[in-house]
Amino acid sequence: AQTVTQSQPEMSVQEAETVTLSCTYDTSESDYYLFWYKQPPSRQMILVIRQEAYKQQNATENRFSVNFQKAAKSFSLKISDSQLGDAAMYFCAYRSDWRSYIPTFGRGTSLIVHP
Amino acid sequence: EAGVVQSPRYKIIEKKQPVAFWCNPISGHNTLYWYLQNLGQGPELLIRYENEEAVDDSQLPKDRFSAERLKGVDSTLKIQPAELGDSAVYLCASSLSGSGGHYNEQFFGPGTRLTVL
Repeated sequence: AQTVTQSQPEMSVQEAETVTLSCTYDTSESDYYLFWYKQPPSRQMILVIRQEAYKQQNATENRFSVNFQKAAKSFSLKISDSQLGDAAMYFCAYRSDWRSYIPTFGRGTSLIVHP
Repeated sequence: EAGVVQSPRYKIIEKKQPVAFWCNPISGHNTLYWYLQNLGQGPELLIRYENEEAVDDSQLPKDRFSAERLKGVDSTLKIQPAELGDSAVYLCASSLSGSGGHYNEQFFGPGTRLTVL
């Protein structure tokens, strides 16, 4: 079974600074998707960024980018120019490309943004 | 366009009482998911529907939990009787399709926070 590990229960960053959230996963599959979701206090999970495993290029979405290291099974999220609205729980998730269409989530990292 | 709607947002009940949660997915989304999110954890799938059919319910505790999606649109998740350990957030999500090898983004609702006293 696939597992997703987020080793940082909490991270903090100053407004306008850059922060990196870590995620590692375990799988024997070669084709899969990786995701970062944001969950603010409102509880609604919002997709931040998605990476297809077959793509070597790291995904980027405005201030959010990932460092995808397939061989190391590592998938970190970098948030640049952090804003107060970035404060939330961030979940890393893995989804097989063929066997199961249900994502496996990590335990989450709480991001605190200081003004 | 409206997102995934869930009600109620909060529910407090005493143990052994029944409780029901309602979810209305995004219009046109065939696949509906119910997730359980315990405090300090990521969501875990309880059940997935493709239209009216429950295609993945292996994690649903069937002795006390039940779900239905009679017309392939909105869905209800029920717990009877509720136990103290059921206190959690229950999330609903929907997507265009959950199978076929295509990527279809899941859109989540705001969840229902259940407290069992």
